[in-house]
Amino acid sequence: SAVISQKPSRDICQRGTSLTIQCQVDSQVTMMFWYRQQPGQSLTLIATANQGSEATYESGFVIDKFPISRPNLTFSTLTVSNMSPEDSSIYLCSVVTIGNTIYFGEGSWLTVV
Amino acid sequence: LAKTTQPISMDSYEGQEVNITCSHNNIATNDYITWYQQFPSQGPRFIIQGYKTKVTNEVASLFIPADRKSSTLSLPRVSLSDTAVYYCLVGDRGGYNKLIFGAGTRLAVHP
Repeated sequence: SAVISQKPSRDICQRGTSLTIQCQVDSQVTMMFWYRQQPGQSLTLIATANQGSEATYESGFVIDKFPISRPNLTFSTLTVSNMSPEDSSIYLCSVVTIGNTIYFGEGSWLTVV
Repeated sequence: LAKTTQPISMDSYEGQEVNITCSHNNIATNDYITWYQQFPSQGPRFIIQGYKTKVTNEVASLFIPADRKSSTLSLPRVSLSDTAVYYCLVGDRGGYNKLIFGAGTRLAVHP
């Protein structure tokens, strides 16, 4: 298994500001992903965090709004830029272990006011 | 990526067996079937994964017919704490494992 730590776990942010969410895994993983889950909805994949290169974004998500870094095999960050109330969501980090099982962090709850 | 279809919601009572069926008609040869459980305010939790036939662990069983176009998650003797959203996902276990979530099944277990 993998233990995933996300920080912050919860935050209230002002409109127009940016927030960076960190994801740290306790073991080496092959892949890392970022998801968004809006209230009462299912999870939506934002992007694949690629080690040492630019992330691969899904349709509807762009790098300027959600810049992602992955400097090594166990750490990634997601920034939510120029936030608006519509960005109020849970942001989840997901990893794929060496054994090809996918695990999720507990999420970062963002409220934009 | 294969699309999955599940019932939106189900109701059950404590002590009963619950079977949640998922359809994935376009599943690819390399795809595995994985089920996750999500409680409010938590990230999804891995339950079980399989490729064909039957897989069982300490939490659940997963039944996959020969054509693999559907799968059934079986939860034996559910309790109130099994009330959650259950997601069925398909995806390959190779180098590109991104999972696309459907709406999931909201299971409510009643006393």
